[in-house]
Amino acid sequence: QKEVEQNSGPLSVPEGAIASLNCTYSDRGSQSFFWYRQYSGKSPELIMSIYSNGDKEDGRFTAQLNKASQYVSLLIRDSQPSDSATYLCAARLAGGTSYGKLTFGQGTILTVHP
Amino acid sequence: DTGVSQDPRHKITKRGQNVTFRCDPISEHNRLYWYRQTLGQGPEFLTYFQNEAQLEKSRLLSDRFSAERPKGSFSTLEIQRTEQGDSAMYLCASSRGHVEAFFGQGTRLTVV
Repeated sequence: QKEVEQNSGPLSVPEGAIASLNCTYSDRGSQSFFWYRQYSGKSPELIMSIYSNGDKEDGRFTAQLNKASQYVSLLIRDSQPSDSATYLCAARLAGGTSYGKLTFGQGTILTVHP
Repeated sequence: DTGVSQDPRHKITKRGQNVTFRCDPISEHNRLYWYRQTLGQGPEFLTYFQNEAQLEKSRLLSDRFSAERPKGSFSTLEIQRTEQGDSAMYLCASSRGHVEAFFGQGTRLTVV
C-alpha cells in the first residue's frame, strides 16, 4: 500500500464548476498535509496546508482533513481553465525515523474545459 | 525572500559521467529536501537536512548519490557514474521547521 494515494485522473470539469480532489494516507502518525499545484514542466507550487480536522478555506480553495478516516481533500470552486494542472497531495509524519519527511502522492491531473 | 534557487536548470550528460547540482534555500530556512520526479509520478524523496545534519536518506538511493549541506546553507547533490535511469527532474525544497515547504524550479537531468 502506498503511503499517500491519489486517483491519477484525469479529472475533467467544466469552467465554473467545483473540482473535488481526494487523497488518502496510510500512516496515522501523519500530522501535516499539503496540496501543491504543478503545471507541466514546472516545479510544484504550494497552494494549501492543513494541520487539524475540518475545513480550511483560502479564496476559491478549501482543504478538508479527516484524520479518523485518513482522508484529505481539496475543493476548487468556480474552476478556471488556468486551474488545469496536476495536483499533488503530501503528508508529513510528526515523529519516528521519518520525522519531517514529506511524502507525496502520484498526483491527480485536472482539466477545466471552457 | 528570493525563493529557492537551483542550478543548473538543465543538464545533459553522457552515461558514466558525474554531475553535481546546487540548491540555495530560502534564507533562514533550516530544513532542505531533495526529491526526484519522473514523468507521471509524484516527487520521490531522496534526502533531507536540518541545518547541516543529514537526517534521512532514502533506501532507494544508491551509493552513487551523495548530498551535502556545509554550514547549513546551500546544498549540493552529486550523482556519480550516471545511468540512463537517473534521467529525471531533481527538485529541492526548503522549510522553516516542519511547516510549509517551498520548491525551487528544479534541475532537469538527461543522461544520454
